Amino acid sequence: AQSVTQPDIHITVSEGASLELRCNYSYGATPYLFWYVQSPGQGLQLLLKYFSGDTLVQGIKGFEAEFKRSQSSFNLRKPSVHWSDAAEYFCAVGGGGNTGGFKTIFGAGTRLFVKA
Amino acid sequence: DAGVIQSPRHEVTEMGQEVTLRCKPISGHNSLFWYRQTMMRGLELLIYFNNNVPIDDSGMPEDRFSAKMPNASFSTLKIQPSEPRDSAVYFCASSFGRSYEQYFGPGTRLTVT
Repeated sequence: AQSVTQPDIHITVSEGASLELRCNYSYGATPYLFWYVQSPGQGLQLLLKYFSGDTLVQGIKGFEAEFKRSQSSFNLRKPSVHWSDAAEYFCAVGGGGNTGGFKTIFGAGTRLFVKA
Repeated sequence: DAGVIQSPRHEVTEMGQEVTLRCKPISGHNSLFWYRQTMMRGLELLIYFNNNVPIDDSGMPEDRFSAKMPNASFSTLKIQPSEPRDSAVYFCASSFGRSYEQYFGPGTRLTVT
């Protein structure tokens, strides 16, 4: 069955420190992988995506993620966190629309707290 | 582009009343998704449409919930009758073709008292 696991419910990082948010997926074929960010009171916004090719993908706001097929992982990283990065982050895997329509499975989310 | 538009942004209603949430997807997008988000259950997919046709409604919690997409630029999610446990933020999202990436609206915060 398709699934996405984000093992950390919340993470606290000091401003200026590096960040890594973990994501593991289960999917029967080559997955399409995404990271979304949700600020308080907002909808989800796409940070980056992986479809194929280079396994290190760059996104908006200085984020990057690396696809590791052998580990079924797609971890999100940022070298230096800013206070404005405090939000909830969702990993997602897409696929499975044989009859049309393209469903995406979302993880439970990781809430990032940034301390001064 | 204005992005995905949802209305109303906030809705407060009494138990038993009918609630209708509205969504206008991004022009040109051919898939539309309705989600519900709560603290307890996280983000749940309720139903999605492709080319205005419902493809998967397995996430619709009960018969009290119904969704329609009469044309490519409009969709509704209706709850009748509403119950306090329906209180949540409801998101609409749209996407194009096989891109899978979804664009979310700002959400409707529903409170049923």
